[in-house]
Amino acid sequence: AQTVTQSQPEMSVQEAETVTLSCTYDTSESDYYLFWYKQPPSRQMILVIRQEAYKQQNATENRFSVNFQKAAKSFSLKISDSQLGDAAMYFCAYRSAFRTGNQFYFGTGTSLTVIP
Amino acid sequence: KAGVTQTPRYLIKTRGQQVTLSCSPISGHRSVSWYQQTPGQGLQFLFEYFSETQRNKGNFPGRFSGRQFSNSRSEMNVSTLELGDSALYLCASSMSGTGPTEAFFGQGTRLTVV
Repeated sequence: AQTVTQSQPEMSVQEAETVTLSCTYDTSESDYYLFWYKQPPSRQMILVIRQEAYKQQNATENRFSVNFQKAAKSFSLKISDSQLGDAAMYFCAYRSAFRTGNQFYFGTGTSLTVIP
Repeated sequence: KAGVTQTPRYLIKTRGQQVTLSCSPISGHRSVSWYQQTPGQGLQFLFEYFSETQRNKGNFPGRFSGRQFSNSRSEMNVSTLELGDSALYLCASSMSGTGPTEAFFGQGTRLTVV
């Protein structure tokens, strides 16, 4: 079974600064998809960024970028120019490319605080 | 385009009762997945329905069941409620659940069992 580990339960960052959230995963599969989801106090999970394992280029979405290290099974999220609205719980998630269906494996989350 | 709608938002039930939660996916989405979120266990996959058929199932007891209707709306049922079933139940929908497609989540139903 796949497992996803987020070793930082809590992180904080000054507004306008950069922060990196860590995620590692364990799988024997060669192809898969990785996601970062954000869960603000409203509880609704929102997709931040996604990465396809067969693509070597790291995904980028505006201020959000990832550092995908397939050999190390690492998938960290970098948030640049942090804003107050970035404060939320962030979840790293894995989904198999071989298995049909929408089954995600989530990490336990990192609570991000943005300090004004 | 309306998002994923879960009802009710909050629910309080007594141990031993049963409960039904509802999820209306985004129009056109045929895959609906359910997750249980607790502080101790994080997000755990319950099951997924696609075109009215259960396609995947997580490791939950048989007290947890679900179904999907022809309009893709889904319901989740928990029978003989236990205190440990208190959690946020999230529903997610997507077009097909294949490829790197995004899953869209609802705001969840907060279930409290007393």
